[in-house]
Amino acid sequence: EVQLVESGGGLVQPGGSLRLSCAASGFTFSSYEMNWVRQAPGKGLEWVSYISSSGSTIYYADSVKGRFTISRDNAKNSLYLQMNSLRAEDTAVYYCARKAQGGFETAWDYWGQGTLVTVSS
Amino acid sequence: QSVLTQPPSVSGAPGQRVTISCTGSSSNIGAGYDVHWYQQLPGTAPKLLIYGNSNRPSGVPDRFSGSKSGTSASLAITGLQAEDEADYYCQSYDSSRVVFGGGTKLTVL
Repeated sequence: EVQLVESGGGLVQPGGSLRLSCAASGFTFSSYEMNWVRQAPGKGLEWVSYISSSGSTIYYADSVKGRFTISRDNAKNSLYLQMNSLRAEDTAVYYCARKAQGGFETAWDYWGQGTLVTVSS
Repeated sequence: QSVLTQPPSVSGAPGQRVTISCTGSSSNIGAGYDVHWYQQLPGTAPKLLIYGNSNRPSGVPDRFSGSKSGTSASLAITGLQAEDEADYYCQSYDSSRVVFGGGTKLTVL
């Protein structure tokens, strides 16, 4: 059974840092591209970052570029999101999502349960 | 302001048919990118509902169907059930970046 389990969320002050993790199981993690997406309270989905299966290709949304860093450890079946210089507007539930194999436009077929990040003083 | 436009809300009575539109432009849906749909039940993570414009993953009832034409896509739900009450999001690509619709809240009356 495919499982994605996020952790690392919590309350952090503006300007602070947090590292999110996503533990994958039930599939060959190293073969799949992964994404982070977030959802502010009462709002819609916002893509945050993408990483290729090998980690060699990375993209960020403009809203987090220069502050967030995505990475993965295929040996540990884990995806990470290092978040620095956090702002109030980064407050959201953060989900990791697996991108289905088969090409550029494939859907995100499995999602984690999410971890809440609250940026507040 | 989302790149893909969805109605904020739709509603229908049990057993009825409802549709949710997802309107884009020539740089996303109109450029030929596939559209995917996700269902988010209250308090849960999104779940893939329709992929590649009109395909259902295993386990998704055939009451759910998707279509795409020109710069728009649609999600149709027939035989509406109380358990369908949720938020629905469309997803596509725009200039090689993933984009979402703003979401549509479906209320079953």
